[in-house]
Amino acid sequence: AQTVTQSQPEMSVQEAETVTLSCTYDTSESNYYLFWYKQPPSRQMILVIRQEAYKQQNATENRFSVNFQKAAKSFSLKISDSQLGDTAMYFCAFMKHSLDSSNYQLIWGAGTKLIIKP
Amino acid sequence: DGGITQSPKYLFRKEGQNVTLSCEQNLNHDAMYWYRQDPGQGLRLIYYSQIVNDFQKGDIAEGYSVSREKKESFPLTVTSAQKNPTAFYLCASSITRRGGYTFGSGTRLTVV
Repeated sequence: AQTVTQSQPEMSVQEAETVTLSCTYDTSESNYYLFWYKQPPSRQMILVIRQEAYKQQNATENRFSVNFQKAAKSFSLKISDSQLGDTAMYFCAFMKHSLDSSNYQLIWGAGTKLIIKP
Repeated sequence: DGGITQSPKYLFRKEGQNVTLSCEQNLNHDAMYWYRQDPGQGLRLIYYSQIVNDFQKGDIAEGYSVSREKKESFPLTVTSAQKNPTAFYLCASSITRRGGYTFGSGTRLTVV
């Protein structure tokens, strides 16, 4: 069974600093998708960034980028120039890429609470 | 704009009552999901549906029921059999694996 582990329950950094959130996963699949979601105090779940396992290039979205290490089964999220609005829970998630199934279930990590201090 | 609408935003339930949480989407997504989130915790899957008139139990289905009579709608009923229903409930939908999920804004259910 697939599992997703986020080893940092809580982190805090000063505004404008760079922070990296870690995520590791366990799977025997070769093709899959990985996601980072953000849940601010409003509790709305927002997709931050996605990575397709067959793509070697790390995904980037403005100040957000990932370090995807497939062999190590690691998918860390880097936030550059952190802003107060980045304060949120961050969840890492995994989805299988099974062509013979319409099952799109996401496997979730427990989350990392990120606090950006002014 | 397309999206997912959950209602109500806040819901209060008396002991022994059944309550129904609404989830409607206009994204034309086939798959829909219900998650429960307890304070400081991650998401736990209650039920999911991949197609109209079909749904599957997730990890914590006991005390909950769902229906999927229309593609756009996936209501969740919290029954009196659910002994600890106070939580935040999130509905989501998806159309492709690559796209991940789109989420509603959630319903906070409190037992009074």
